[in-house]
Amino acid sequence: EAQVTQNPRYLITVTGKKLTVTCSQNMNHEYMSWYRQDPGLGLRQIYYSMNVEVTDKGDVPEGYKVSRKEKRNFPLILESPSPNQTSLYFCASSLGPTGYEQYFGPGTRLTVT
Amino acid sequence: DQQVKQNSPSLSVQEGRISILNCDYTNSMFDYFLWYKKYPAEGPTFLISISSIKDKNEDGRFTVFLNKSAKHLSLHIVPSQPGDSAVYFCAARRGYGNKLVFGAGTILRVKS
Repeated sequence: EAQVTQNPRYLITVTGKKLTVTCSQNMNHEYMSWYRQDPGLGLRQIYYSMNVEVTDKGDVPEGYKVSRKEKRNFPLILESPSPNQTSLYFCASSLGPTGYEQYFGPGTRLTVT
Repeated sequence: DQQVKQNSPSLSVQEGRISILNCDYTNSMFDYFLWYKKYPAEGPTFLISISSIKDKNEDGRFTVFLNKSAKHLSLHIVPSQPGDSAVYFCAARRGYGNKLVFGAGTILRVKS
């Protein structure tokens, strides 16, 4: 089954404790993105990747890191989480850059206290 | 500054009637527009899209209209069904790289 998986689905952590949210897709997609969803703001892009070792900032990259060492995986790293990073996070992938819809993972609910 | 705006936070429609969801944008450089549907506890799923060179695209019960001069697009669902009850996000693509800008979403409730 074609899918995007994220782990963990729920995470409660404390300020400053480094964490990683994993994302994996089995569709051989080149393009992958991370978004956060906040009430009244919709989904905002954090980082995206056009291919292995090629990443770029989205609209809200501050406080986040990403890496793309393999085509299927695109982890999101929070080196020092803060309460304002409490949010719902979605990973997405797409086949190409021109008009291809993005396939989203189920989401990761992160709470930073 | 929100470049993609969905000004109606929610919409309630009777089953069988038409649902019209609206979206406005400010950036004339957007070249592709998409609608996503999201159920609770799931990720958004792609619904329908339209290129900026077109003014209409249909897929079954779903039709998207684009008015470039007004920087406005709308999603029509006819007939509406209870299973259409979800949050609908409008998104616009900003050039190469598949960077998408999303609106805040509209909650659609279809009453049976």
